[in-house]
Amino acid sequence: QVQLVESGGGVVQPGGSLRLSCAASGFTFSSYGMHWVRQAPGKGLEWVAFIRYDGSNKYYADSVKGRFTISRDNSKNTLYLQMNSLRAEDTAVYYCAKGLGTMDLWGQGTLVTVSS
Amino acid sequence: DIVMTQSPDSLAVSLGERATINCKSSQSVLYSSNNKNYLAWYQQKPGQPPKLLIYWASTRESGVPDRFSGSGSGTDFTLTISSLQAEDVAVYYCQQYYSTPLFTFGPGTKVDIK
Repeated sequence: QVQLVESGGGVVQPGGSLRLSCAASGFTFSSYGMHWVRQAPGKGLEWVAFIRYDGSNKYYADSVKGRFTISRDNSKNTLYLQMNSLRAEDTAVYYCAKGLGTMDLWGQGTLVTVSS
Repeated sequence: DIVMTQSPDSLAVSLGERATINCKSSQSVLYSSNNKNYLAWYQQKPGQPPKLLIYWASTRESGVPDRFSGSGSGTDFTLTISSLQAEDVAVYYCQQYYSTPLFTFGPGTKVDIK
């Protein structure tokens, strides 16, 4: 069925790294732009990054620019988020979402906790 | 950057009554060349990911009940639930996509049953 499944979350120390994955199924992954959106505990939604359908362009929120890298492998129907130099304020549930302007399909999210 | 604000922060409405949520953008999200407002609404129920309800400010996503409606233009928008149902308890977010590929969400409005 049409779905997105995130993985790779966990507990990491400040300054550490983590790579999140988002496996897509049920639609033509290579035809759609993809986003990462995060939600800190008890807080609202924050857009993190976007990648065009073919990976040609990538865009980031100022809060993660230079630390996070979005990428995709269309042969594996998978989206990635490489997170480096993690900070306590990066603690959140990270969602992948499909779409260009609007986000019409979301995964269930994966929790990233940055703590010593 | 376009900043989105919402009001109220929360509201409690009796079952069957109307709920109204407001969203304001710091600059217009109306694209003059196509006369479309680049504004979407999402619903997030407890423990679930967000769900797209409305795009282009007033177009319902497929499968969304018609008690949900969106209106407004330029910088001021409204999401209306015409007859609140128990399953509508959620946090509602507006989002602008005028500044694609940079996107911003409003802070959210929590809707509860009175």
